Amino acid sequence: GAVVSQHPSRVICKSGTSVKIECRSLDFQATTMFWYRQFPKQSLMLMATSNEGSKATYEQGVEKDKFLINHASLTLSTLTVTSAHPEDSSFYICSATTLDRAERGGYTFGSGTRLTVV
Amino acid sequence: GQQLNQSPQSMFIQEGEDVSMNCTSSSIFNTWLWYKQDPGEGPVLLIALYKAGELTSNGRLTAQFGITRKDSFLNISASIPSDVGIYFCAGQLGVIYNQGGKLIFGQGTELSVKP
Repeated sequence: GAVVSQHPSRVICKSGTSVKIECRSLDFQATTMFWYRQFPKQSLMLMATSNEGSKATYEQGVEKDKFLINHASLTLSTLTVTSAHPEDSSFYICSATTLDRAERGGYTFGSGTRLTVV
Repeated sequence: GQQLNQSPQSMFIQEGEDVSMNCTSSSIFNTWLWYKQDPGEGPVLLIALYKAGELTSNGRLTAQFGITRKDSFLNISASIPSDVGIYFCAGQLGVIYNQGGKLIFGQGTELSVKP
């Protein structure tokens, strides 16, 4: 159990356009989802935490107007990169959990989305 | 903010050798987690540690939660080519109702295994 599907796996977009990335928990209801950004050969950097039905909490230095996060249901969270620029090119990863799972270290990660802005 | 210092950054070993990597922090964590990430994929959980001093094994992997709750190590015995990947430690700050259950990741250890 505990499967998280992330889509798309790769996307190339033109500078100035917006891109939406979806994160779905397939077999459990994820009360909390996290969005990370990872540059090549680097660690996962937490961008924001989203709880179902409430506004996302962004980490310091992450522009909330640029990275729009919506967690409208217990199985879906979306990250929209607005007005994308080449420096937004990165690997974006989501993870999903619940209170019970988190207490046991149960964070399930999606397979990531490689965003390239040209 | 909280940081995890993971070392070494990279390792090049021969198949069959044992591997050891560790993480230290200036902060105390409730839980330590060890993940493996393959290229172009999300991290996959290897071992979770919940109590200070805990030693846990998962096949050829062994990990320990430091007594001070500020450090952890991961050992891989008798490495094989499929062990290749990037290994991350992660500390959990608190559960969801307290500090959001956020994970702080170490910088990663890139493991290369020569057959």
